[in-house]
Amino acid sequence: EAGVTQSPTHLIKTRGQQATLRCSPISGHTSVYWYQQALGLGLQFLLWYDEGEERNRGNFPPRFSGRQFPNYSSELNVNALELEDSALYLCASSWGVLAGDPDTQYFGPGTRLTVL
Amino acid sequence: AQTVTQSQPEMSVQEAETVTLSCTYDTSENNYYLFWYKQPPSRQMILVIRQEAYKQQNATENRFSVNFQKAAKSFSLKISDSQLGDTAMYFCAFLDSGNTPLVFGKGTRLSVIA
Repeated sequence: EAGVTQSPTHLIKTRGQQATLRCSPISGHTSVYWYQQALGLGLQFLLWYDEGEERNRGNFPPRFSGRQFPNYSSELNVNALELEDSALYLCASSWGVLAGDPDTQYFGPGTRLTVL
Repeated sequence: AQTVTQSQPEMSVQEAETVTLSCTYDTSENNYYLFWYKQPPSRQMILVIRQEAYKQQNATENRFSVNFQKAAKSFSLKISDSQLGDTAMYFCAFLDSGNTPLVFGKGTRLSVIA
């Protein structure tokens, strides 16, 4: 069974540009989570999507946004990039809210975003 | 808000020895879940072990086991017969039963020495 996949592996942008990161969950999973792992800041929650809806959002500015498609894949968009957005962005998936209790999140390999 | 604390930023262990990584957490919830994830240099976050708070029995997965002390809000990870491939960052994480995301500790960098 395929795990969570993310693309691209690496992304290099300049300040002010926009970045789009993609994630495909494990087959059957309807929940997708995005986390930012910046140097020295640990893992911070960004966004949670389930059944196409945004369920929860972390303490990040509105220029971080995303969406979930009907096939449950997800996209994270970061507008007006700043130097401090440089980080590893991890996507995770799990069975969704309709499954009842929250379940284990399985992570993808991440996208390394570098803002110059 | 829940918090997770890992008090050991770095640890090392000799190959084949046993090591214990500490984790404490703070919550007012009664029903929740605790996890240990491993992140090797390849960056892939890998689930090591999971514990449901309502289960008194400590979870075990091959060489990995936990010591879950609910009253003390402690969740340590024991790695037996350490192997070179165990070298990684280890993150303790908390998930409550509501619609909230995983809360991670800052991690412990474990080095297994030959």
